[in-house]
Amino acid sequence: EIVLTQSPATLSVSPGERATLSCRASQSVTSNLAWYQHKPGQAPRLLIYGASTRATGFPATFSGSGSGTEFTLTISSLQSEDFAVYFCQQYNNWPVTFGGGTKVEI
Amino acid sequence: QVQLQESGPGLVKPSETLSLTCTVSGGSIRLYYWTWIRQPPGKGLEWIGYIFYSGDTNYNPSLKSRVTMSVDMSKNQFSLKLSSVTAADTAVYYCARAASAAAAWDYWGQGTLVTVSS
Repeated sequence: EIVLTQSPATLSVSPGERATLSCRASQSVTSNLAWYQHKPGQAPRLLIYGASTRATGFPATFSGSGSGTEFTLTISSLQSEDFAVYFCQQYNNWPVTFGGGTKVEI
Repeated sequence: QVQLQESGPGLVKPSETLSLTCTVSGGSIRLYYWTWIRQPPGKGLEWIGYIFYSGDTNYNPSLKSRVTMSVDMSKNQFSLKLSSVTAADTAVYYCARAASAAAAWDYWGQGTLVTVSS
């Protein structure tokens, strides 16, 4: 199965700063990669799909890029509500697999 | 707004069968793929499998021998059964929806913790 490695595990940033999160796949997943935002006690929310398409409800401060094995989620200016865990998911090959997550904290 | 809500026992004894139901509100169960995902404490997410509204299924090979999924269109619900559970099956279980088999999951439930213990 495809292994997704996210880095860093924890990212400490200040409000207004830029955050760059990485997701690396053990083999190509083409553009079949999604990012999710997950806050404690809440349902995970789809943030990015197709590696770069932003889901409904998220502002343009969120952007995704990459293809093949290297992917990046960028939050251009962190707001207080953006502090959460972000995890990537590949849906190119079965079984679907997930990265270990990056916790974005203040 | 589509909402998913997991329900079921929070405690299951070893060797017994874990049973969970996901109730879908704000939308029809028809034409979508419905999945179960779990996250053991301190570990990453694991995809368990999906069921299409028609009843077609696809399970994670690592769990296939113990998993059964079903759908009840009259109640707008789908269900998971995991047999012969052990402590390793202790996890937060999530249900989610996708528009196709190879697609991102656009709606998730908030998850329910199931503990396997005697």
